[in-house]
Order: sequence, then structure tokens, then C-alpha cells
Amino acid sequence: DAGVIQSPRHEVTEMGQEVTLRCKPISGHNSLFWYRQTMMRGLELLIYFNNNVPIDDSGMPEDRFSAKMPNASFSTLKIQPSEPRDSAVYFCASSRGQGDTQYFGPGTRLTVL
Amino acid sequence: GESVGLHLPTLSVQEGDNSIINCAYSNSASDYFIWYKQESGKGPQFIIDIRSNMDKRQGQRVTVLLNKTVKHLSLQIAATQPGDSAVYFCAENLGDYKLSFGAGTTVTVRA
Repeated sequence: DAGVIQSPRHEVTEMGQEVTLRCKPISGHNSLFWYRQTMMRGLELLIYFNNNVPIDDSGMPEDRFSAKMPNASFSTLKIQPSEPRDSAVYFCASSRGQGDTQYFGPGTRLTVL
Repeated sequence: GESVGLHLPTLSVQEGDNSIINCAYSNSASDYFIWYKQESGKGPQFIIDIRSNMDKRQGQRVTVLLNKTVKHLSLQIAATQPGDSAVYFCAENLGDYKLSFGAGTTVTVRA
């Protein structure tokens, strides 16, 4: 059974450019999470979707960040415009339902120059 | 605020020995706890979980102990192997979908 799939695995971009990260959750999972991991702040929850609907986006740093989930098998996290301080590893995770075990994807390492 | 934290940031273990990783939590209302393993360049990988109505749960070579009286969680790894070298996180479910992660303990296995 395939786990959570993320793309790209690595992204290097210049400040001001738009960045789009992609995620395919585990089939049958109704909850999807976007996290950011840095050395300074550890793992931070950015946004949580349940049944494709954003439930909690309080962790989204600012308006430059947006996330969508057009269907049960696909989600995007977009940063526009990107800044060097956005450099981090971004993880997508999914769970069968709210409160169930979250399974993480391999992450996207983003570097903004 | 309430948080989940780890007692030790690093642990060096001789191959074949048992490892014990500790975690303290402060939210007495938490009812679900998870241990994750993160290898370099990879995402956190689920190891084992435990609910608050249990005090011990065993998996393959791993055991999680929960002491609700002192709000303490531990992960024991039996016969530690080189492949166990990673960062280990405990996570606390805050009652719904939110997980609060500890800072992580880096485990290094010596050959």
C-alpha cells in the first residue's frame, strides 16, 4: 500500500518566486495535514483538512501561504511570494479520521535563495 | 503553556543494548500518545502508540510505558541495532486532531 506521496522532494527557488508543493494522501484517509519542520521551531502544524474542507489554518504563517484540497486524493501548499525564511522541510500527513494516527510523507525540502 | 518535551536531546547506545527514551508531558487531558522515528532525509515514521487507558504497550522490539501520575512517557527499544539510529519524537494528542510534538531525541548506535 502506498504511503503519503509528496512532490517535489527538493525545491530551490529565488526570493519572490511562487512555490507549489503537492501531496497525495493515503487512499481512504479523510484527514490531511501540512507541517513545516525547522531546526529552531521543530514540527509546526500549518493547516488541517477534513473531508477536503480546511478546518484549522491558524498555523499558516501569513497571507503568502495558501493551501487547497480540490479532491480527496490531492492537496497543494502554495507560497507566493517566497522568502528566504520560508526555507524548511514541508511535510504532508494523512489520517483515517480526526484523532487517528497521522502518517507522514517523505517531505519537500524547500530552499529559498 | 502546556507542552510536550523530552528529557534528553541525545542518546548514545552500544549496539545490542537496550535504549530508553523519555518524554514528559504536561496536559493531563491528553488521551493519546505516539512515538515517531525520523531518519535523516525522511519523514516521521509511526512506531507505536498508546492510549491513556493503558500503561504499557508492546510492539516488535519496542515498548511504550505511560505513567499518568507523573505525566511521563517512555520508549524502550530492545537489542538496539544500527538501523535504530534516528531522531525519536513523542507526540501528544490534544483531544482532537492536533498533535503536540516534543523536541526530539537523537539516538546514535555505536558498533
